[in-house]
Amino acid sequence: DAGITQSPRHKVTETGTPVTLRCHQTENHRYMYWYRQDPGHGLRLIHYSYGVKDTDKGEVSDGYSVSRSKTEDFLLTLESATSSQTSVYFCAISESAGGMSPLHFGNGTRLTVT
Amino acid sequence: DAKTTQPPSMDCAEGRAANLPCNHSTISGNEYVYWYRQIHSQGPQYIIHGLKNNETNEMASLIITEDRKSSTLILPHATLRDTAVYYCIVSLLGAGNNRKLIWGLGTSLAVNP
Repeated sequence: DAGITQSPRHKVTETGTPVTLRCHQTENHRYMYWYRQDPGHGLRLIHYSYGVKDTDKGEVSDGYSVSRSKTEDFLLTLESATSSQTSVYFCAISESAGGMSPLHFGNGTRLTVT
Repeated sequence: DAKTTQPPSMDCAEGRAANLPCNHSTISGNEYVYWYRQIHSQGPQYIIHGLKNNETNEMASLIITEDRKSSTLILPHATLRDTAVYYCIVSLLGAGNNRKLIWGLGTSLAVNP
């Protein structure tokens, strides 16, 4: 399995509080992604990074920010958590953005916002 | 909207081949077909991908029709551990560095003893 660690694995937080999720990789891959997965929806891209300090928005980026200060770490921050952000969050990595390079996923963080 | 169409569920007997179909009728010439699977509560796991030719690896085989409008993932000898949701995805090349994968709801495969 690809060396991807997500932390925490589970978190319960209150509405309005900031939350940071961490993704750590040991593969030295350039590209990193944050997805969320909700019942009735496929995986949806929140933000992605194509290098240190290089990030961009995905399709559901409102209410989220990211940072990547090192190749191995990609942080996802919920600036002020809302109940609609209750979800399972997956980090993924890939060597390139091209069609030849598959994504490898972490095992997810289950976030509950009360 | 997802660019692929898969049946919502399928059953397969343990030890038999599981053939999972996928339609991607609007695929363009430079788009790859990817297959992933997700076992309950885990992250999606990459299985195989292809462009035009059939592909095989230690997990599965991928058969792509000549017109590339559909494909079939074959698990040659399904086991109980293959019970999962299987996603067929077309890899879209977005602007710049963004490779957008549109995830549908996949096929829930149940392998029965």
